Amino acid sequence: EVQLVESGGGLVQPGGSLRLSCAASGFTFSDHYMDWVRQAPGKGLEWVGRIRKRANSYTTEYAASVKGRFTISRDDSKNSLYLQMNSLKTEDTAIYYCVRVNDDYYLDVWGTGTTVTVSS
Amino acid sequence: DIQLTQSPSFVSASVGDRVTITCRASQGISSFLGWYQQKPGKAPKLLIYAASTLQSGVPSRFSGSGSGTKFTLTVSSLQPEDFATYYCRQRSAYPITFGQGTRLEIK
Repeated sequence: EVQLVESGGGLVQPGGSLRLSCAASGFTFSDHYMDWVRQAPGKGLEWVGRIRKRANSYTTEYAASVKGRFTISRDDSKNSLYLQMNSLKTEDTAIYYCVRVNDDYYLDVWGTGTTVTVSS
Repeated sequence: DIQLTQSPSFVSASVGDRVTITCRASQGISSFLGWYQQKPGKAPKLLIYAASTLQSGVPSRFSGSGSGTKFTLTVSSLQPEDFATYYCRQRSAYPITFGQGTRLEIK
């Protein structure tokens, strides 16, 4: 079964840091670009960023709202995706989804999400 | 950035109704648009990609059309499980953007 499972969410103070992880199974992780998408409470979906695969030098793209504060990385040997979040703000409070990008660049497999709350 | 505007933001309909949701892009995006369904407390699910291609396993009552700046998602005969929030998303250019969502509720 194709599956993505996020972990690492929790409560953090403004200005703090948190690292999210996503464990992939049931497919060849290294063959896919991967995205992070978030959803603030009661709000819509917001794309956070993308990491490409090895053939594309693991390059990354970010939304302007997180650029310079968040870093996406991956470890293909562990079938894992990561999101390092620094200088967190209250507006970063959201459910964070790990998402597989298919060959046509659409988001075809979603994790269940992990909740990040930034509050003092 | 490419802005996506969905209309309506909210629609109330009955089982068996035909419903159409529109997504307009602030600039041309060819056919690089997908539609996603999200039920409360669940992750989104890909319904349609490349504007009109049905994702595997999605019922044929869902259909998509459009290109350039105007796109539509149609549900031909609403079923109880279709009541959810629907989002369009463009993958034409970075930053990737979503529409604000259309909430479909039971009348």
